[in-house]
Amino acid sequence: GAVVSQHPSRVICKSGTSVKIECRSLDFQATTMFWYRQFPKQSLMLMATSNEGSKATYEQGVEKDKFLINHASLTLSTLTVTSAHPEDSSFYICSAAADYSYEQYFGPGTRLTVT
Amino acid sequence: GENVEQHPSTLSVQEGDSAVIKCTYSDSASNYFPWYKQELGKGPQLIIDIRSNVGEKKDQRIAVTLNKTAKHFSLHITETQPEDSAVYFCAARAGGTASKLTFGTGTRLQVTL
Repeated sequence: GAVVSQHPSRVICKSGTSVKIECRSLDFQATTMFWYRQFPKQSLMLMATSNEGSKATYEQGVEKDKFLINHASLTLSTLTVTSAHPEDSSFYICSAAADYSYEQYFGPGTRLTVT
Repeated sequence: GENVEQHPSTLSVQEGDSAVIKCTYSDSASNYFPWYKQELGKGPQLIIDIRSNVGEKKDQRIAVTLNKTAKHFSLHITETQPEDSAVYFCAARAGGTASKLTFGTGTRLQVTL
């Protein structure tokens, strides 16, 4: 099956710094990638949808200047959390979709802790 | 927008029994309904999905049923095993692969020996 990877799997950063999370589709070209945030014991909340080569579409309430998304190629999307604060600590999950499949393929997630 | 409700929030069954999780959706245009299993600290894993032109789909111990008229769909797990213990999420999507999934609130399934 299609594989999506995320890097890093865990990251700890200090308040006020920025951190970048990578999402890669390893064996297929992802026309669309999605970024989710999941707080403990809660569901996945979509943050934004990105298509290769175009600007991401953010969900209501998600600050686009704080959560920068770049979908530079058909296999790579990045999420940068700028000026991170403790309340940004969460589990960030990406998924990728290809035109030929109904499925969305999920990555393993990145645990971000802001101290 | 789409709203997906999921019940129950927690479910405890004995090994070998069946488990049923139910979801309802609001958008009649929804045409794709996946179910995911999420283990602690991991990303969601697709276990089964169904499209709106099908009423039922089965894969070994797992089955999903869809009632478009009532706008609800259910996950059925038979002969449960301890390794089935996890959080299960339903989701719904209207449109194609570039469209977003809307997730239910999740069901924590505990299979006891």
